[in-house]
Amino acid sequence: AQRVTQPEKLLSVFKGAPVELKCNYSYSGSPELFWYVQYSRQRLQLLLRHISRESIKGFTADLNKGETSFHLKKPFAQEEDSAMYYCAPRMDSSYKLIFGSGTRLLVRP
Amino acid sequence: DVKVTQSSRYLVKRTGEKVFLECVQDMDHENMFWYRQDPGLGLRLIYFSYDVKMKEKGDIPEGYSVSREKKERFSLILESASTNQTSMYLCASSSAGLDTEAFFGQGTRLTVV
Repeated sequence: AQRVTQPEKLLSVFKGAPVELKCNYSYSGSPELFWYVQYSRQRLQLLLRHISRESIKGFTADLNKGETSFHLKKPFAQEEDSAMYYCAPRMDSSYKLIFGSGTRLLVRP
Repeated sequence: DVKVTQSSRYLVKRTGEKVFLECVQDMDHENMFWYRQDPGLGLRLIYFSYDVKMKEKGDIPEGYSVSREKKERFSLILESASTNQTSMYLCASSSAGLDTEAFFGQGTRLTVV
């Protein structure tokens, strides 16, 4: 069965500290991987996707196929990064887009 | 500017009522999705559609049905609303392809009393 796990419900860090939001997936194929973010009172929106290999708002995500992980990282957290973050694998041969349970990131001043 | 619009921001319905949640997208997207969002559970897929009149069950389809008669519109139907269907409902759409971005509506907060 397809599964995606975000083990931390809440991650609280101080401004300027490094951040790592964990995501592990279990899929039989080769999924495409996304991170979505929801800021307070805003719509859920794409943060970044693996295929683009880009850094968005200082965030990067590395795919580790051996560990089946796609952790989201930022070296220096900012207060405006406080939001809900969802990992979303999309399995090949399927139109499904499945989300993890989400991690709330709280960046304290 | 891309747009996914859900017909209501807030709804209050009584137990046993038939409830319709409407979603419209203006991007000519093939795929449309309905999720419910609950604290601690994240987004759970109820149904999705990859073409007009085509639909597939997601992870929690029980108690729900959907309709996609036109490409731009995807309706979620609660056949007989129950209190455990009180939730935030999110609609999304995306174009065909594995690496395409999903665009979300603003959400409908449904309360069943």
